[in-house]
This record gives sequence, C-alpha cells and structure tokens, in this order.
Amino acid sequence: DTGVSQDPRHKITKRGQNVTFRCDPISEHNRLYWYRQTLGQGPEFLTYFQNEAQLEKSRLLSDRFSAERPKGSFSTLEIQRTEQGDSAMYLCASSLTGFNYGYTFGSGTRLTVV
Amino acid sequence: AQTVTQSQPEMSVQEAETVTLSCTYDTSESDYYLFWYKQPPSRQMILVIRQEAYKQQNATENRFSVNFQKAAKSFSLKISDSQLGDAAMYFCAYRSGNSGNTPLVFGKGTRLSVIA
Repeated sequence: DTGVSQDPRHKITKRGQNVTFRCDPISEHNRLYWYRQTLGQGPEFLTYFQNEAQLEKSRLLSDRFSAERPKGSFSTLEIQRTEQGDSAMYLCASSLTGFNYGYTFGSGTRLTVV
Repeated sequence: AQTVTQSQPEMSVQEAETVTLSCTYDTSESDYYLFWYKQPPSRQMILVIRQEAYKQQNATENRFSVNFQKAAKSFSLKISDSQLGDAAMYFCAYRSGNSGNTPLVFGKGTRLSVIA
C-alpha cells in the first residue's frame, strides 16, 4: 500500500466549469476526510465518510460541492460552477476509527480557477 | 467550537540548534488529543507527534518533543538538533475525545526555516 493517492495533482479550470477530484485512501482505513487549504491557512474541514456513509459536512461545503464514497473505497469531490474563491489545495486524508489515530494525508489537488 | 491558535507565522533556527513552536487551543472538554503535523514544500502532510490529554507525560519522538500544559491549554513543539530537512510548515491540530466522529481542527501553521 503506497498511502493516500489523489488525482489530479493540479487542475486549472475556467470559472463556471465543473471539476471532480479523486482520492484513494489506505485500503484498511474506514474513514476518509476532505479538507481545503488556502495560502497561508491551515486545512479547513469539508466533509468525512465512515465507509460509504457521509457522516458530517462543514458549512463551508456549499450546495455546489458534493462528495461520494461508493462502496467505501475511493472518494470523489465534485465542485460545480466553479468560482475563483474555490481556488485552493484540496486535501484528502484517511484513518482508522479511534480517537487517537492521526490522519494519513495525500499530496493534495491544487485547483486554480481562472 | 474548538479553536487552535499558532501565534508564530514564521520561525527560523540555525542548523543543530533547538527551536520551539507555540500552540494554544480553546476547549471546554477534558478529553481530547493533540497533534503536530509537518508539511514540507510541495509534499504531503505527515504526523510528527501526538499527545493524549489524559496523559501527564509529554510525548517524545526522537528529536521532537512537546510541552503539554493542560491548564494553560498550551501544546508547544520542541525540535532539537535541527536539520535542513526540518524546514516546513508545522500545524498544530486538536481532536475531541468526547466523540469518535469529530474531525481534526488545525491551526494556521508556522513556517520553519532552517539556516545552514
């Protein structure tokens, strides 16, 4: 297992277009998290899954954002009608269930909306 | 809601010296977990060290150690014998222990530079 994989690494899109990112977690991790990180800021929580169930969504996750984790394996994050304010690094992380487990992060997808 | 504050946007240290990064947090909970993550330039975030709030003993991982002051809600990271590879963004993070469902809350980070 090579860790958490995210694809693509970079995405440039025109305002108004839809984009989709993919995250492949560590196979035995049942939890998967999406965070957004803008320049000079720490990661901000967007949503997370336990297996295939989406258990929590941040209020940062507007109606234009949707995430799925079919069959509890990989996850996708889609942004519809992108805006310039969506430009950020989108980080995926996975973990086992348990209070003291840290997360294993992927390298992120950097989105630039022009 | 819990908040994590890192008051030092940037820090620098001479190679082989020791540096301490500060972190404070705000919570009304008694059971929680604290973490330090390292994010090298253009590379993924990795876990450096973790601390359980119920443990009085400060966590250590090789050259990395923490000073956990529960009453003061302070969680600083000490890096000894700094190396060039320690240059990175460092994020302090909090996780509630009252529920298994709460995600990590991060501070804004401290950029550490190591001077050769």
